[in-house]
Amino acid sequence: EAQVTQNPRYLITVTGKKLTVTCSQNMNHEYMSWYRQDPGLGLRQIYYSMNVEVTDKGDVPEGYKVSRKEKRNFPLILESPSPNQTSLYFCASSSTDPLNRVRNEKLFFGSGTQLSVL
Amino acid sequence: ELKVEQNPLFLSMQEGKNYTIYCNYSTTSDRLYWYRQDPGKSLESLFVLLSNGAVKQEGRLMASLDTKARLSTLHITAAVHDLSATYFCAGLRGGSQGNLIFGKGTKLSVKP
Repeated sequence: EAQVTQNPRYLITVTGKKLTVTCSQNMNHEYMSWYRQDPGLGLRQIYYSMNVEVTDKGDVPEGYKVSRKEKRNFPLILESPSPNQTSLYFCASSSTDPLNRVRNEKLFFGSGTQLSVL
Repeated sequence: ELKVEQNPLFLSMQEGKNYTIYCNYSTTSDRLYWYRQDPGKSLESLFVLLSNGAVKQEGRLMASLDTKARLSTLHITAAVHDLSATYFCAGLRGGSQGNLIFGKGTKLSVKP
């Protein structure tokens, strides 16, 4: 079954304790991206990756890191989480078009990770 | 810088009625997307619109794009309760390969 798998589904942590949210897709997609969803703000893109070893900042990258060492995995790293990073996080993936842009007819989203930083 | 604005943000409608959600964007976007999110769930892709005048329809939902007016619409025909969800539009920032900008979403509630 084609899917994007995020782990964990729920995470409660304390300020400053490094954490990683994993994202894995089994569709051989080139494009992967991370979003945070906050009430009243919609979704905001954190980082995206067009392929292995190629990552770019989205609109709210501060406080986050990513890596793309393998095509299937795109972990989101919070080196020193703070309470303002409490949010619902989504990972998504897609194939790319011939111009190497996100294809997006089918942007597959993971189930989400609800993070609370105390 | 691309900004995407949706209105209304909240919409309560009766079953059987028609309504339109509007998505305005501030600068050129190569394409415009619509997504649906059910409460407590992830997002589901609905439509992608690639060119001026593009129209796509699935069931009771129809999306259109006017690039000159920088406007996309999502029209709901004869609403049913199952359409209750939050709908997001998103644009691809001009010149970017993958920088998506989302609107804040329209929460639709369809009542009997």
